[in-house]
Amino acid sequence: EIVLTQSPTTMAASPGEKVTITCRASSSVSYMHWFQQKSGTSPKPWIYDTSKLASGVPDRFSGSGSGTSYSLTISSMEAEDAATYYCLQRSSYPRTFGGGTKLELK
Amino acid sequence: EVQLQESGPGLVKPSQSLSLTCSVTGYSITSNYWGWIRKFPGNKMEWMGYISYSGSTSYNPSLKSRISITRDTSKNQFFLQLNSVTTEDTATYYCARMGTVYYWGQGVMVTVSS
Repeated sequence: EIVLTQSPTTMAASPGEKVTITCRASSSVSYMHWFQQKSGTSPKPWIYDTSKLASGVPDRFSGSGSGTSYSLTISSMEAEDAATYYCLQRSSYPRTFGGGTKLELK
Repeated sequence: EVQLQESGPGLVKPSQSLSLTCSVTGYSITSNYWGWIRKFPGNKMEWMGYISYSGSTSYNPSLKSRISITRDTSKNQFFLQLNSVTTEDTATYYCARMGTVYYWGQGVMVTVSS
């Protein structure tokens, strides 16, 4: 099973600040996928196939990476971006998730 | 637009079976992949398994022989059965369309307790 390790576990960012969340895989994966979840709601697809934005996702978000290291970046933090972000690998079975990164507004 | 809605009991006794239904609208379950994911208290997520457009299944080995995912194409529904539950199966259960992009239902909280 591929283990995904996200860092940081929690963080706070000020409006306008650049944010980077990292997801490291225990073995190489072809793509990484990201979800956003806010309290009391279901996860929403956010970034798929490493760098493609899901429908409705603002273009201040971007995704990158390859092999065992992937990242989600927010170019300029906004209040609505405060949420928990999870990565997911679909390269092998069983599919696995990262432990989540809780992003708060400073 | 695809929509998924979970339903089922919110409380199950230890050693019994957990049974959930996912009702899908806006998309036929005879296309794509349909499965279950759960989120434990403390936020860990676990991919449980799926049933494909053809009816084949794939399960997380961690669930061994306890899990079964089936479907009723006439009702556009698919189902989760998890046997011999313990308190460690307490979680929020989500059904999802597991294509290139995962679309999730609203989730149902299930507590295993006597």
